[in-house]
Amino acid sequence: QKEVEQNSGPLSVPEGAIASLNCTYSDRGSQSFFWYRQYSGKSPELIMSIYSNGDKEDGRFTAQLNKASQYVSLLIRDSQPSDSATYLCAVLLGGGADGLTFGKGTHLIIQP
Amino acid sequence: GAVVSQHPSWVICKSGTSVKIECRSLDFQATTMFWYRQFPKQSLMLMATSNEGSKATYEQGVEKDKFLINHASLTLSTLTVTSAHPEDSSFYICSAGFVRGGGTQYFGPGTRLTVL
Repeated sequence: QKEVEQNSGPLSVPEGAIASLNCTYSDRGSQSFFWYRQYSGKSPELIMSIYSNGDKEDGRFTAQLNKASQYVSLLIRDSQPSDSATYLCAVLLGGGADGLTFGKGTHLIIQP
Repeated sequence: GAVVSQHPSWVICKSGTSVKIECRSLDFQATTMFWYRQFPKQSLMLMATSNEGSKATYEQGVEKDKFLINHASLTLSTLTVTSAHPEDSSFYICSAGFVRGGGTQYFGPGTRLTVL
């Protein structure tokens, strides 16, 4: 059974600091990894995708993947109050014809 | 980026009635569309995968006769909740993706269903 684990939080981070979000997954065959941001009552919004080991940076966001440890993380630099949301880690086992398996999400609070 | 729309954004219905939700990819042709459900304070759970012109594939535990999915074109998929009951009240979200796009999925805004 495919599982994606995240600490539900809440994770509280001061404004301007780095927020670090973590995710582990159970299926070693997983190929694609995504981070989505979800505001309360809204649908998920794609932040980052990562497919190979290492770091991938996009603006204030950095995704890190370690397939050997089955671990994915998201770093948010210079955290802003608008970053306060639930961050969902999602994993894709196969190709684009498969649905995503989501973690339960980490609730992030950026304190002004 | 790819835009996915859903209609309606919210619906309230009486128990026993049927509700249809539309999902459209507005600026691209989606080979595959997905339907998810999210209960309060829980994560998204995949209900079914919908491919244009073929029958949907349902996840274990999802009743295919209750949740009817039609994917008549590359830009439109519909989910019909038949004989809705209060326990079907949830946030229904569709997504569209590209088979060769590394699996990236773009989500619609969601439909909040309340069954009285």
